[in-house]
Amino acid sequence: QKEVEQDPGPLSVPEGAIVSLNCTYSNSAFQYFMWYRQYSRKGPELLMYTYSSGNKEDGRFTAQVDKSSKYISLFIRDSQPSDSATYLCAMSEGGGSNYKLTFGKGTLLTVNP
Amino acid sequence: DVKVTQSSRYLVKRTGEKVFLECVQDMDHENMFWYRQDPGLGLRLIYFSYDVKMKEKGDIPEGYSVSREKKERFSLILESASTNQTSMYLCASSEAGAREETQYFGPGTRLLVL
Repeated sequence: QKEVEQDPGPLSVPEGAIVSLNCTYSNSAFQYFMWYRQYSRKGPELLMYTYSSGNKEDGRFTAQVDKSSKYISLFIRDSQPSDSATYLCAMSEGGGSNYKLTFGKGTLLTVNP
Repeated sequence: DVKVTQSSRYLVKRTGEKVFLECVQDMDHENMFWYRQDPGLGLRLIYFSYDVKMKEKGDIPEGYSVSREKKERFSLILESASTNQTSMYLCASSEAGAREETQYFGPGTRLLVL
């Protein structure tokens, strides 16, 4: 089983739709969870990060972590064409002693006007 | 504002050439990373460095080396470029001791080896 699994899509939705992006993981030591957005031919940019279980909201974006199920989600409300990008989940054990992030392979999202 | 820059956006090289990719960060981060990104394979860690002159192999170090002579600069070297090294190369940095290990990425260098 891969450490982080992410459905590659592609996912195509109409403008205004609610989008749900998900990752599952196997390492129960992961504590920090991040979502990156990557536009075509650009580097990933950090969108949100959360610690442990729970929800975090930032504008139209909500990140959700369920550690008991080893499942994380990113919800996008009122999706816009400018949200069209690849979304990467990433996670770490944290604590400052483990430098590395473990990434999902990314989900390609297209929001159609 | 966090900034990671990479020396080139696009590079075309010939098989057997020595290739240097440069990365500079202005955030005083201790940790720096080199990844390659390929369709269907995601991000794969080549090398990382947690301090000046310190380096560790990532998941796919073969055919690559790195250099970190100054804190802000991390170089990736392809000793003898091959066609299977055609890829998008991404540099990232992170703060040592930060709990969440968040990494900040540069814009990427798209390398084509002919």
